[in-house]
Amino acid sequence: GQNIDQPTEMTATEGAIVQINCTYQTSGFNGLFWYQQHAGEAPTFLSYNVLDGLEEKGRFSSFLSRSKGYSYLLLKELQMKDSASYLCASMDSNYQLIWGAGTKLIIKP
Amino acid sequence: GAVVSQHPSWVICKSGTSVKIECRSLDFQATTMFWYRQFPKQSLMLMATSNEGSKATYEQGVEKDKFLINHASLTLSTLTVTSAHPEDSSFYICSASGQEPYEQYFGPGTRLTVT
Repeated sequence: GQNIDQPTEMTATEGAIVQINCTYQTSGFNGLFWYQQHAGEAPTFLSYNVLDGLEEKGRFSSFLSRSKGYSYLLLKELQMKDSASYLCASMDSNYQLIWGAGTKLIIKP
Repeated sequence: GAVVSQHPSWVICKSGTSVKIECRSLDFQATTMFWYRQFPKQSLMLMATSNEGSKATYEQGVEKDKFLINHASLTLSTLTVTSAHPEDSSFYICSASGQEPYEQYFGPGTRLTVT
């Protein structure tokens, strides 16, 4: 079956670094996505990985290991506005996104 | 960047009535549009996938006669919730992809409350 696992909730301190992990099992693979979703809003695109390795984009980086079915989102220099849910999604062979349940990130001052 | 709009952003309707939600791609042609539903504190649930000019493909458990999807043009798809009931109250989000299937752009969502 198809499955995406990520932690339900994480807490971090403003200015610190946090890593949100995601493991996936999908029928075929066309890339791994990370989205940010603030409460009551639609998801916004953060990153897309289809090759192994680390993609850095400002304060956010995303890593993929296809052999391990594993990805992580790394957030540096955390700001209060980073408090949100972070959704991991794998795109299967039909180009359909299979979504994780999301990780609620709480930033404390 | 690619922009997707949804209208209305929120709607309250009475039980038994029908509600139509529009999803538009504003600056690109959307080959495929996706409709999602999200209940509080849950992840996105794909309801259906639609390609312009053809019938939508519904996910298992989604009633196609209740959730009518029309993808009449490359920039517009509509979702009609027919005979709405309180359990249909949810956040409905559309997304659209163009030539590159791995690029999905999300609309801002529509919050439906059925009383």
